[in-house]
Amino acid sequence: EIVLTQSPGNLSLSPGERATLSCRASQSVSNDFLGWYQQKPGQAPRLLIHGASSRASGIPDRFSGSGSGTDFSLTISRLEPEDFGMYYCQQYGSSPLTFGGGTKVEIK
Amino acid sequence: EVQLVQSGAEVKKPGESLRISCQGSGYSFTTYWISWVRQTPGKGLEWMGRIDPDDSYTIYNPSFQGHVTISADKSISTAYLQWSSLKASDNAVYYCARHGPTWDYWGQGTLVTVSS
Repeated sequence: EIVLTQSPGNLSLSPGERATLSCRASQSVSNDFLGWYQQKPGQAPRLLIHGASSRASGIPDRFSGSGSGTDFSLTISRLEPEDFGMYYCQQYGSSPLTFGGGTKVEIK
Repeated sequence: EVQLVQSGAEVKKPGESLRISCQGSGYSFTTYWISWVRQTPGKGLEWMGRIDPDDSYTIYNPSFQGHVTISADKSISTAYLQWSSLKASDNAVYYCARHGPTWDYWGQGTLVTVSS
């Protein structure tokens, strides 16, 4: 099973600042099948990035993903107040599919 | 518009059985897999397994194998997650999601409460 470790656990930034979230895999993620999700309280996760670097439909271009193999990152170039919430990475290249433990982004 | 609509919240006692559902609309139900995901405060998001609604071929996460059953009825575009004997540890929110391979649409979640 591929273990995904997300860091930092918490991030508190001001609107307009840049946020960089990390996701490290215990083994190489097959085909770079790595996704990033945003989740707000009481809501389902929302897909932001798939295939490590492809933005999902309707996602603003301030969200970008990068990385391959075992090291991946999500960057929010200029934080908006609505970007608060939990962010999770997921690998869907190997069974069992696994999720990271999440990064909580708080807006100062 | 693509939608996955899940059945409502459930309150059950330990040992009882339960089936929750996930109905897809706005797309061809048999052309995407459906997975089930458990979310708890302690363990976060966990993939439970997935089904191909076209032929009902199912793959389970070994952590959940034998404790839940995933099924689908393509004639009504609905996937199911069921338990024959609930435990207190099954307290969670359960999500269905379509994928193949990209996970693009999720259901709204079903809260399952197991309490004596």
